[in-house]
Amino acid sequence: EVQLVQSGVEVKEPGESLKISCKASGYSFISYWIGWVRQKPGKGLEWMGIIYPGDSDTTYSPSFQGQVSISDDKSINTAYLQWSSLKASDTAMYYCARQSRFITGNVASHLVFDIWGQGTMVTVSS
Amino acid sequence: DIQMTPSPSSLSASVGDRVTITCRASQDISSYLNWYQQKPGKAPKLLIYAASYLQSGVPSRFSGSGSGTVFTLTISSLQPEDFATYFCQQSYNSPRTFGQGTKVQMK
Repeated sequence: EVQLVQSGVEVKEPGESLKISCKASGYSFISYWIGWVRQKPGKGLEWMGIIYPGDSDTTYSPSFQGQVSISDDKSINTAYLQWSSLKASDTAMYYCARQSRFITGNVASHLVFDIWGQGTMVTVSS
Repeated sequence: DIQMTPSPSSLSASVGDRVTITCRASQDISSYLNWYQQKPGKAPKLLIYAASYLQSGVPSRFSGSGSGTVFTLTISSLQPEDFATYFCQQSYNSPRTFGQGTKVQMK
């Protein structure tokens, strides 16, 4: 079964560091991009950034560039999202998702998040 | 960044109703538009990609249309399991932004 399993709930204080994980199974980890999506309580989805484990190429949304770091460990099929100094405004649910390329009849390729992790809730509070 | 604007932000409907949700892009994105469904406490689920292609396993009562800047998601006959929040996402360029979602509630 293709799945992404994320690490558990985190409760941190402002200024602390954090690294959450997303472990892939059931497919070739190095062949698909993995993205991270933030969802603040009661709010919409925000595309944060994405990594290609094949060569660790990474792209960030300008809104998140410099605020978080995305990495991977191919030896254990795991992607990571990391903060060096958390803020209260980082309180949110964080999802990882596999990006697949779907080809349509006119040979256009479309990028989708087709497999999602269950989410990691991060609470930052003093 | 491309802005994705859903309408309405929420709606109330009954089982059996035909429901239509609209998403507008701030620039032409051709057919690079995906729709996701999210139920409370769950991760989003891909419903439609390339504006009108149904993801495998998704019921045929869901359909999508549109191109350019205006897109619609239609549920032909709302079922109890369809009460959820629906998000559009543009896959035209990076960052591949989402709309804020449309919540479909029971009337």
